[in-house]
Amino acid sequence: KAGVTQTPRYLIKTRGQQVTLSCSPISGHRSVSWYQQTPGQGLQFLFEYFSETQRNKGNFPGRFSGRQFSNSRSEMNVSTLELGDSALYLCASSLVSGRARSTDTQYFGPGTRLTVL
Amino acid sequence: AQTVTQSQPEMSVQEAETVTLSCTYDTSESDYYLFWYKQPPSRQMILVIRQEAYKQQNATENRFSVNFQKAAKSFSLKISDSQLGDAAMYFCAYRSAMYSGGGADGLTFGKGTHLIIQP
Repeated sequence: KAGVTQTPRYLIKTRGQQVTLSCSPISGHRSVSWYQQTPGQGLQFLFEYFSETQRNKGNFPGRFSGRQFSNSRSEMNVSTLELGDSALYLCASSLVSGRARSTDTQYFGPGTRLTVL
Repeated sequence: AQTVTQSQPEMSVQEAETVTLSCTYDTSESDYYLFWYKQPPSRQMILVIRQEAYKQQNATENRFSVNFQKAAKSFSLKISDSQLGDAAMYFCAYRSAMYSGGGADGLTFGKGTHLIIQP
């Protein structure tokens, strides 16, 4: 079974631009989560999508948004890029045990390295 | 909010020896999951082992095992017969088992432990 895929793997943008990152989950996984990894802040949760709905959201400004499609693929968008948005963005997918129960094991993709100049 | 603490920024071990990485966490919940993830230089986050809080038995995956002490909120990872390929950053992570519906219910990670394997 193919793993989580993320595109593009590397991206260079300038301040003020916007960027869209894509994530395809493992086949059969309906939940997709996004994380930002930086040397200073470590790994931080951005948001989680399930059945095309944002289910959870971390403490990030509204410039960070996402969506999920009917085939469970997900995109995240960052508008008005800032230098501090330079990071590795990781996507993870998981099965969902039920509406009330959170997903358990998350399987990660290789990440997208975003550099903002 | 839950917190995860890894007090060892870096650990070094001789090949074939055993090493233990420490992790403590703080939560008021009783139902949750704990994980160890490995991130080698390729930056791919790889699941090493998972533990469900309601299970008293410690999880084991080949050379990897955990010591889960729920009352002490401790979740250490033991790597036996260390191999060069084990060199990586190791992250301890926590996840609530129940969807709260209002907050950030993603994985909460520790800062990581850089494991060096000496040949």
